[in-house]
Amino acid sequence: AQKVTQAQTEISVVEKEDVTLDCVYETRDTTYYLFWYKQPPSGELVFLIRRNSFDEQNEISGRYSWNFQKSTSSFNFTITASQVVDSAVYFCALSEGGTGNNRKLIWGLGTSLAVNP
Amino acid sequence: NAGVMQNPRHLVRRRGQEARLRCSPMKGHSHVYWYRQLPEEGLKFMVYLQKENIIDESGMPKERFSAEFPKEGPSILRIQQVVRGDSAAYFCASSRTTGAGANVLTFGAGSRLTVL
Repeated sequence: AQKVTQAQTEISVVEKEDVTLDCVYETRDTTYYLFWYKQPPSGELVFLIRRNSFDEQNEISGRYSWNFQKSTSSFNFTITASQVVDSAVYFCALSEGGTGNNRKLIWGLGTSLAVNP
Repeated sequence: NAGVMQNPRHLVRRRGQEARLRCSPMKGHSHVYWYRQLPEEGLKFMVYLQKENIIDESGMPKERFSAEFPKEGPSILRIQQVVRGDSAAYFCASSRTTGAGANVLTFGAGSRLTVL
């Protein structure tokens, strides 16, 4: 069965601290995709990153970085030098299907991040 | 290039009424998805549509819910005889047909349904 677990329900940090959001997934497929989305207080869902199961290279985009470890089925997200504007709920999601045609995402319950000034 | 447009953003209905939620995909996107976000439950897939076709409706409740994506116009998620348990945020997403980013979903801002 497919499952995404975000064990941290809420995290609170002070501005400029680094914070890591954990994501652990379960799947029987050898080909799959992992995603992170951000949901700010305004409510929309903003795409952050997609990673396919064959690409374990970590990625950095500005203050954001992602660590994909197939051995532990984890796809963790780190925000460096957090800012108040980073306050949001962050969702990790999984999509299965070798062709990428399966766009039915399985979502974690989200981690609510509060960055305090 | 407008993103995914959903309306209404907020909808209030009394029990037994009908709710219609509309979604216009991004320009160039021909695939539409509906997800429901219930409090404490996270996002759940409901249905995946292409123009005039339902591809996957495995997440749709068997009764009262229906979705369409006509040749012309927006996709519609219709909930008949709403009950309090239907209160949720309903998100629409769209994606490209093919290509490297074909399974990257672009979401709308959501429609928040409140059933009194």
